[in-house]
Amino acid sequence: EVQLVQTGGGLVQPGGSLRLSCAASGFSISSNYMTWVRQAPGKGLEWVSVIYSGGSTYYADSVKDRFAISRDNSRNTLYLQMHSLRAEDMGVYYCARGGTGKGLDYWGQGSLVTVSS
Amino acid sequence: DIQMTQSPSTLSASVGDRVTITCRASQSLSGWLAWYQQKPGKAPKLLIYKASTLESGVPSRFSGSASGTEFTLTISSLQPDDFATYYCQQYMSYWTFGQGTKVEIK
Repeated sequence: EVQLVQTGGGLVQPGGSLRLSCAASGFSISSNYMTWVRQAPGKGLEWVSVIYSGGSTYYADSVKDRFAISRDNSRNTLYLQMHSLRAEDMGVYYCARGGTGKGLDYWGQGSLVTVSS
Repeated sequence: DIQMTQSPSTLSASVGDRVTITCRASQSLSGWLAWYQQKPGKAPKLLIYKASTLESGVPSRFSGSASGTEFTLTISSLQPDDFATYYCQQYMSYWTFGQGTKVEIK
């Protein structure tokens, strides 16, 4: 059974850093593309970052140069390192698996990020 | 960047109603469009991909169609479990979501 279990998140001051983790089971994260999607309070979904099976990474303009996506194949875990956090980065962050030709077919449970002094 | 325009933003309906949600893309997607359902406090759930292919385990009352750059999600007979927010998403070039449609009880 495919599962994505997220850890990390929490309260951080503006300008601070935080790392989110997404532990996968039931498949190998290096075989699929993996993404992070976020949702500001009461708002819609916004794609944040992707890492492809070959290792290429891409970011939304809103987080470029501040966020870094990575993975540890030996731990089958996806990460999102976030720096220089701003109030507008607040929300729930989801990791999601890219299904072949399917869009995002499995999602983590979400991690809440609060940016406040 | 590909823009997605979803309508309506809110839809009031009753159990048994036929419901239609529309999404328009700013350019051709070659069918690379998905629909998701999200309930409060939960992660989105994939319903339909490649514009009209039903994800495994999704009830057949959900269907998707496409005409050029316009895409439609139809629920043939709304059930109590279907009251939720629905999002379209293009995955032709990166990923862009529509603004969402909240389906609420009339």
